[in-house]
Amino acid sequence: EAGVAQSPRYKIIEKRQSVAFWCNPISGHATLYWYQQILGQGPKLLIQFQNNGVVDDSQLPKDRFSAERLKGVDSTLKIQPAKLEDSAVYLCASSSGTSGDYTDTQYFGPGTRLTVL
Amino acid sequence: AQSVTQPDIHITVSEGASLELRCNYSYGATPYLFWYVQSPGQGLQLLLKYFSGDTLVQGIKGFEAEFKRSQSSFNLRKPSVHWSDAAEYFCAGGGTSYGKLTFGQGTILTVHP
Repeated sequence: EAGVAQSPRYKIIEKRQSVAFWCNPISGHATLYWYQQILGQGPKLLIQFQNNGVVDDSQLPKDRFSAERLKGVDSTLKIQPAKLEDSAVYLCASSSGTSGDYTDTQYFGPGTRLTVL
Repeated sequence: AQSVTQPDIHITVSEGASLELRCNYSYGATPYLFWYVQSPGQGLQLLLKYFSGDTLVQGIKGFEAEFKRSQSSFNLRKPSVHWSDAAEYFCAGGGTSYGKLTFGQGTILTVHP
């Protein structure tokens, strides 16, 4: 079974530029998560999708971050414009259940490391 | 506020020694608790989880964790550490079966030969 795929693996941009990250979840997984992991901290949930609908985006900085999950499969996370404090690893995870609760194990991708200069 | 705390930022053990990583939680009801491991350049991998029932939980790679309500703890243990266990370990929790998982800040494990 293929795991969660993310690209790119690394990205370096200047502040005020825009950037996009892509995630392909495990086939058939209904729930998709985007996390932000700042160096020295644990992951923080940015947004959770159930199929192509948003379940929770309460910690997503909506003035600069946006995310979509077209057709309930792949997802894209965008930052526009980027700030220095956005430097982090962005993790995508997926789980199989449709309920979105914790009994469904989350499988994580390798992440995209973003550096904002 | 609901939270998960890992008091140790960095732990060093010798190969073959026993290991215990600490995790404390702050939730009103019985929390949902997890341990994840993150190797360099890799995503997080679930080691084990606790929802209810038996307070001693067995996981993958020889790890176990014990839920202690009286101490608000969910410590991860392994009787004999291997060099390949060197990684960063995260405890995570949630107050209900839905909603956000809150991660601790992580504990980096170094294993000396």
